[in-house]
Amino acid sequence: KNEVEQSPQNLTAQEGEFITINCSYSVGISALHWLQQHPGGGIVSLFMLSSGKKKHGRLIATINIQEKHSSLHITASHPRDSAVYICAVRVLGSNYKLTFGKGTLLTVNP
Amino acid sequence: NAGVTQTPKFQVLKTGQSMTLQCAQDMNHNSMYWYRQDPGMGLRLIYYSASEGTTDKGEVPNGYNVSRLNKREFSLRLESAAPSQTSVYFCASSESEETQYFGPGTRLLVL
Repeated sequence: KNEVEQSPQNLTAQEGEFITINCSYSVGISALHWLQQHPGGGIVSLFMLSSGKKKHGRLIATINIQEKHSSLHITASHPRDSAVYICAVRVLGSNYKLTFGKGTLLTVNP
Repeated sequence: NAGVTQTPKFQVLKTGQSMTLQCAQDMNHNSMYWYRQDPGMGLRLIYYSASEGTTDKGEVPNGYNVSRLNKREFSLRLESAAPSQTSVYFCASSESEETQYFGPGTRLLVL
């Protein structure tokens, strides 16, 4: 069983829609990361959080430590948001190592 | 600042050949990492270096060696490439447990 599960695997939306991507994990963690990877492109870190909520522009990330769950929300989605979104966790006691989910492929159509 | 740079961007090898993937960062980070990314799988850690002079195995170290040449540079060596090592390789760096910054990746094809 994967330690980090993301849902959905694939998501197609119309421009302007509100998007939610979910991440569940089964281990104790010290932090959770959300990353973005455009097709054929590099990987960019969006958020690192260990509690509560963070917001950057149209992106919002939340985490519930007790429920071992995090969500990434995109408001007023745009075709340029089309990318793979990856959840990663730093497992307690694992030094600086991250364990990654398989990613969610988001396609936003105009 | 260039951030994290990787060379080469793309490489084709024949089975049994060797090569070294280079990575450098200009952010004065202590920690550096090598990952591989394969279709349908999450990023997997090959090796990491918590600080200059130290290296440690990750999830999938077999077939690879690393060198932390100095604080800036962390290289990944394939001594005898195998088709199973066809993948996209990413180098990353971070300041201890903070955000990781990724390089642009190296696409490796082993025939």
